[in-house]
Amino acid sequence: AQSVAQPEDQVNVAEGNPLTVKCTYSVSGNPYLFWYVQYPNRGLQFLLKYITGDNLVKGSYGFEAEFNKSQTSFHLKKPSALVSDSALYFCAVRDASLSGNTPLVFGKGTRLSVIA
Amino acid sequence: DSGVTQTPKHLITATGQRVTLRCSPRSGDLSVYWYQQSLDQGLQFLIQYYNGEERAKGNILERFSAQQFPDLHSELNLSSLELGDSALYFCASSVRDTNEKLFFGSGTQLSVL
Repeated sequence: AQSVAQPEDQVNVAEGNPLTVKCTYSVSGNPYLFWYVQYPNRGLQFLLKYITGDNLVKGSYGFEAEFNKSQTSFHLKKPSALVSDSALYFCAVRDASLSGNTPLVFGKGTRLSVIA
Repeated sequence: DSGVTQTPKHLITATGQRVTLRCSPRSGDLSVYWYQQSLDQGLQFLIQYYNGEERAKGNILERFSAQQFPDLHSELNLSSLELGDSALYFCASSVRDTNEKLFFGSGTQLSVL
């Protein structure tokens, strides 16, 4: 079975400070991992993905995520937060050993608030 | 703008009624996915279609059905509506039938009163 956990419902950070949004996963095989962001009254937008290769993945808007196999984590990071980064962030996973159209499993989301 | 269009944006109806939600995928995308987002359940996968055929099914209730038409737009039909069906329903599309990068519409907010 596939599952993903985002242990924090809310993360608050001051503008200009680094931010981290946490995600851990569970799959039987190797994971394909994703981060999506949802701004108010909008659909989810793809940020970045890890399929294979370098453990540090760079994505849109200056975000990056680090894949850690031993800790089964895929935390989202940004060196310097902007107020405009305030949104709902979703981590998602798919087990690479399953068929390609196995649905993504999303976490419950973490609300990021960047305070000026 | 993701290129995925969902209509209507808001829908208010009564228990026991039937509604249809519509989705037009991005130009060139063959796969359409339906998700339900609620505060308590988070984002739940309902169903996927690829080029007109059902490809994957999630926790979709028997009262719900979907289809993808030859022009690739999709409709999600919800019948015998209950209060608990109130949620934000998202459609997403992708080029292929694999779930690597999804483009989401802005959703249809369904309120069942």
